[in-house]
Amino acid sequence: GQSLEQPSEVTAVEGAIVQINCTYQTSGFYGLSWYQQHDGGAPTFLSYNGLDGLEETGRFSSFLSRSDSYGYLLLQELQMKDSASYFCAVNRDDKIIFGKGTRLHILP
Amino acid sequence: EAQVTQNPRYLITVTGKKLTVTCSQNMNHEYMSWYRQDPGLGLRQIYYSMNVEVTDKGDVPEGYKVSRKEKRNFPLILESPSPNQTSLYFCASSLVFGTAFTEAFFGQGTRLTVV
Repeated sequence: GQSLEQPSEVTAVEGAIVQINCTYQTSGFYGLSWYQQHDGGAPTFLSYNGLDGLEETGRFSSFLSRSDSYGYLLLQELQMKDSASYFCAVNRDDKIIFGKGTRLHILP
Repeated sequence: EAQVTQNPRYLITVTGKKLTVTCSQNMNHEYMSWYRQDPGLGLRQIYYSMNVEVTDKGDVPEGYKVSRKEKRNFPLILESPSPNQTSLYFCASSLVFGTAFTEAFFGQGTRLTVV
């Protein structure tokens, strides 16, 4: 089977840096991706890691370690608009399996 | 504009009354999928389709049907809705899935209430 674990909630201060972790257990694995979802909205793609290492896209970075079955999403220079839920997802065979999501609260 | 379109956005229905939620994408994607989202449970896959006339069950398929007669459309059918199918539903599409990754594009969601 497959499962992904991520914290249910994280709180950070505006302007700071926050890391959202994701650990997974799955056999057969083609990459880890991250999605953002604002309240009332649809999930939108943020980043993808197919190989080990760090991928950077503006203020957001994502990291993967396949040997540790672990990844994280790093958000820098937090802005109030980053308040949302963040989902990690694994691509396995012909499915996309999502974690339960991490609610990010940002304090002014 | 590349998009996935779901209809309706909101629906209230009664137990047992058949309903269909439509999903259409204009990106010529092979892969389409339906998810339901419930508080604390994240996104759970209901059904997916690798291409026209090819569909398969996801993690929570009970009580749902799908069809893929055309590449762009992937309707979700609830033959006899029950209150436990009250949820937020999302349709998503992506290019050929498998070893070649592509991002998933989501529709805006359908909030279904079954009373």
